[in-house]
Amino acid sequence: AQSVTQPDIHITVSEGASLELRCNYSYGATPYLFWYVQSPGQGLQLLLKYFSGDTLVQGIKGFEAEFKRSQSSFNLRKPSVHWSDAAEYFCAVVANNNDMRFGAGTRLTVKP
Amino acid sequence: NAGVMQNPRHLVRRRGQEARLRCSPMKGHSHVYWYRQLPEEGLKFMVYLQKENIIDESGMPKERFSAEFPKEGPSILRIQQVVRGDSAAYFCASSATSGGAGDTQYFGPGTRLTVL
Repeated sequence: AQSVTQPDIHITVSEGASLELRCNYSYGATPYLFWYVQSPGQGLQLLLKYFSGDTLVQGIKGFEAEFKRSQSSFNLRKPSVHWSDAAEYFCAVVANNNDMRFGAGTRLTVKP
Repeated sequence: NAGVMQNPRHLVRRRGQEARLRCSPMKGHSHVYWYRQLPEEGLKFMVYLQKENIIDESGMPKERFSAEFPKEGPSILRIQQVVRGDSAAYFCASSATSGGAGDTQYFGPGTRLTVL
């Protein structure tokens, strides 16, 4: 069965610094991969997704992610973090029947 | 173009009562998914429905929980005889009619259930 691991529970970065959130997946076939962001008390907003093709995916709010099959990873990056990026970030993988499996999430804190 | 709608946003129930959570998918979407998010945890898949059909309920607890998506009206997640452990945020998502694996799921704002 597919699964997603987000190794970092909580990350703190300074505003303006670069960011990388890690995501590793376990899935036998070509995965469909997603990154969502959740602000406190809110639902999930899609940042970006990977289905096939170019392994570097551009998303909203200046985020990008790179699919690396050899490392089973789909890490999320942003070159310069803004205070408004503070939120919970979830990586997800989809298998059969649109059964989306989420990682446990990484909470991002942005220091002034 | 309204997104996925969920109501109520907050629901308080006493142990033993019933909870009904409603989800209206995005316009044109006929696939609905329910997820549960426990405090400090990620989302866990519960059930996937199309109109009048349950496609995958592998994540649903075997007792007290049921879901439906009728021909007309919203999808309903029903929890009978709630217990404190049911306290969580319940999110609904919808996707377009093609229903292929990898279709983007759009999430509603969630219903936060508190069981006293």
